[in-house]
Amino acid sequence: DAKTTQPTSMDCAEGRAANLPCNHSTISGNEYVYWYRQIHSQGPQYIIHGLKNNETNEMASLIITEDRKSSTLILPHATLRDTAVYYCIVRSFPYSGAGSYQLTFGKGTKLSVIP
Amino acid sequence: GAVVSQHPSWVICKSGTSVKIECRSLDFQATTMFWYRQFPKQSLMLMATSNEGSKATYEQGVEKDKFLINHASLTLSTLTVTSAHPEDSSFYICSALQDNQPQHFGDGTRLSIL
Repeated sequence: DAKTTQPTSMDCAEGRAANLPCNHSTISGNEYVYWYRQIHSQGPQYIIHGLKNNETNEMASLIITEDRKSSTLILPHATLRDTAVYYCIVRSFPYSGAGSYQLTFGKGTKLSVIP
Repeated sequence: GAVVSQHPSWVICKSGTSVKIECRSLDFQATTMFWYRQFPKQSLMLMATSNEGSKATYEQGVEKDKFLINHASLTLSTLTVTSAHPEDSSFYICSALQDNQPQHFGDGTRLSIL
């Protein structure tokens, strides 16, 4: 699976949009971009995923560049509860066996939402 | 949304004892479950992948005789840390997967070995 690069940390003012970038320049055509977050001392929480079109759900929006080499997760109105480590993960699809289901976590971006 | 329950959330035990951690998918049948370990200030590391009714697949460097995984049904997987020692103290997290849906994670088990 393609590797990803994310900034180590970011700050965002409460109520503002948080834009978290991710570079995945070696992504291949059948690989999806997934975003998870991990609040301190909890398990990761699924946020959103996409292939090439922009996606939006009740939690966030995912913007994928046309060449698919980078993406941005947008939290439209950050709250203090959004403080967490955000992981951008690229994984192939469709699945070809048990081993290809796995998620490989990098170091992620530590987002701090400031009052 | 999909819910994965992990139990216990926190356990302290003496060195040499065995500890069992349960992972349940509450509202869906999980074709595959995963076990991760996370040390302080580090990212999650995959330990093993398990499919219902078959032997787990362990990642390189993970001792299968020490970390016993049983996936007896489509909603339950267990991880048993046998003869636990202080270096096994960590945050253990399971996740469950149904078909082509995103993985959903439990809230983790903090294991402390004295």
